[in-house]
Parts: sequence; structure tokens; C-alpha cells
Amino acid sequence: QVQLVESGGGVVQPGTSLRLSCAASGFTFSSYILHWVRQAPGKGLEWVAAISSDGNKIYYADSVKGRVTISRDNSKNMVYLQMNSLRVEDTALFYCAREPSFGEYDYWGQGTLVTVSS
Amino acid sequence: AVLTQSPLSLPVTLGQPASISCKSSQSLVHSDGNTYLSWFHQRPGQSPRRLIYQVSNRDSGVPDRFSGSGSGTDFTLKISRLEGEDVGVYYCMQGTHWRTFGQGTKVEI
Repeated sequence: QVQLVESGGGVVQPGTSLRLSCAASGFTFSSYILHWVRQAPGKGLEWVAAISSDGNKIYYADSVKGRVTISRDNSKNMVYLQMNSLRVEDTALFYCAREPSFGEYDYWGQGTLVTVSS
Repeated sequence: AVLTQSPLSLPVTLGQPASISCKSSQSLVHSDGNTYLSWFHQRPGQSPRRLIYQVSNRDSGVPDRFSGSGSGTDFTLKISRLEGEDVGVYYCMQGTHWRTFGQGTKVEI
């Protein structure tokens, strides 16, 4: 069955960096676009970044552009989110989500929590 | 596209119907002719689960008491008879103009 398992979250200070990982299984990873979506505590969902199946096309939300880098390793079925210059407002549960076809999400991971606090 | 859901809080009675509105600031009809409007349900402590895609298509395993309708900029999720497992937050999401979500509607008994 399709599984997305995020990891790498933690408590960090403002201005520092963190790398999130998403391990995928149960499907042909290299055929799918993957996204990161975040949810601040008690708040709604916000799209963060996306990467094409071959990794050649990358998209970022304006709120994180210039501070995050999405990447993938199709040989390892992994997608990553490198986050730099973290801010208090980046505190959120970060989900990895699969795009089965244009404009859609079907499977989501359980999320990894990033807390930015001094 | 900005998605505006209403109401933001919906107290309901078991067995009764419920309806959530999602209005977009621009048409969600894509140049390919499809309308990429989905509905998700999120229970406390869980990831979002997709219920409906492309306005009215129910996902596998989603009870038929859930239905989606609408067109252009106005969309609705209806639950015909609310059950206890239906509590949580419902989000609409549009995939036509990249990705945006509604603010969420909290459904509680």
C-alpha cells in the first residue's frame, strides 16, 4: 500500500536550518510529483513546495521562496525539504503529499513537526 | 485563487444533514475543461483524507452520504446524514491555479 513517512522535524532556534525527509513506498516513486504542505498549530493547510517526477521542475510558495529547497532521490524513493533561516512563523506540521494527476492530492504522510522557538 | 469556506464552525446533530460552502475568487475551470476542486476531511491528530475530487467524484471507500457539487466559483460539500465519525475539519482545495486551501470548517456534534 502507498506510504509516505516524514521525518527530520524538531525544535530549533530562529535563523537555523533543518532538513525534512519523506520516505515513500508502495508505488512507482519516480512517476509522481511530490509536494510539501504545512499546517501551523491549530491552523489550516498551506502548500509549501513541489517537485516534478524527474526533479527538473520545482515550485515554491512565496512565503518560503529563497529559504527552502526541495529535492528528491528517485533511487532511494526519498523527497527532501531543506529549510534555512527558519522563522518562528515556520512552526508547523509538515506533510508530504502525492499528486496522482494534475491538480490533485491523494496520499498524505502523517507529518513531521517543526518548532522554531528561542 | 482565494477559497472562502462557510461556515467556519458547524454544530450538527447526528443523523441530520450538513452542508459546507466553498467560494473561489476566480473560476476553477481549467483550460483542459476540468475543474480541480477537492474536499478533504481531517480528524484530530490525523492527516487530511481526500473525500471528493474534481467537484463531485467520491474517492474509493468514501460513504455515499458525502456528495460534492458546484461549478465555476461556487462549490458545496453535503453530508446527508451525519455520523459520529464525520466530526473534524473539512477543507476545500483548488488545483486549477496551483494549490490553495480554504480556511477549514470545523464540524462538531
